[in-house]
Amino acid sequence: GENVEQHPSTLSVQEGDSAVIKCTYSDSASNYFPWYKQELGKRPQLIIDIRSNVGEKKDQRIAVTLNKTAKHFSLHITETQPEDSAVYFCAASKGSASKIIFGSGTRLSIRP
Amino acid sequence: NAGVTQTPKFQVLKTGQSMTLQCAQDMNHNSMYWYRQDPGMGLRLIYYSASEGTTDKGEVPNGYNVSRLNKREFSLRLESAAPSQTSVYFCASSEGRSSYNEQFFGPGTRLTVL
Repeated sequence: GENVEQHPSTLSVQEGDSAVIKCTYSDSASNYFPWYKQELGKRPQLIIDIRSNVGEKKDQRIAVTLNKTAKHFSLHITETQPEDSAVYFCAASKGSASKIIFGSGTRLSIRP
Repeated sequence: NAGVTQTPKFQVLKTGQSMTLQCAQDMNHNSMYWYRQDPGMGLRLIYYSASEGTTDKGEVPNGYNVSRLNKREFSLRLESAAPSQTSVYFCASSEGRSSYNEQFFGPGTRLTVL
């Protein structure tokens, strides 16, 4: 079955700097890659997603890139702000199937 | 719209006790999911239901059973709780039967098994 690995497990960046979180997946048939954000004590929420027919997608300060050949995808956050502090989860799935498999999460801290 | 609701919010059990975690959604979603979240382990899928009347195993189904009672409700049962089942449990739902749809999560249930 699908296996998703996520790095790093913790990340601390200065406010205003960029943050990058990387994930790899094992099943070459996976074609849908969402990212969820979980603030402390809250429930996870979708922030951005990408399908395998697209190499990059951007939404304001957040972007996701996908390399199908290498089977890895990354989340990029630019001009980080205090409200970006949270745990971020990547995930992968075969879109036609219901289930998605999550990575182990990255705890991002923004230093003032 | 309440979205996805879960009961209870907190629960403490002794080893060997049983309990059912309840989940309901009012968004007319087809798919529902149960995850457990442990430190450093991310969100691991226990069971899911792509539509009313169907259920499938996820990554870590052992020790759990589920019931999709109707389109709105999806319950998770622990028949004989073990300390290894101490975790935060999240229920989620999504509109379609495919994973392209955003998953909406409930507030979670924090379960401790002594």
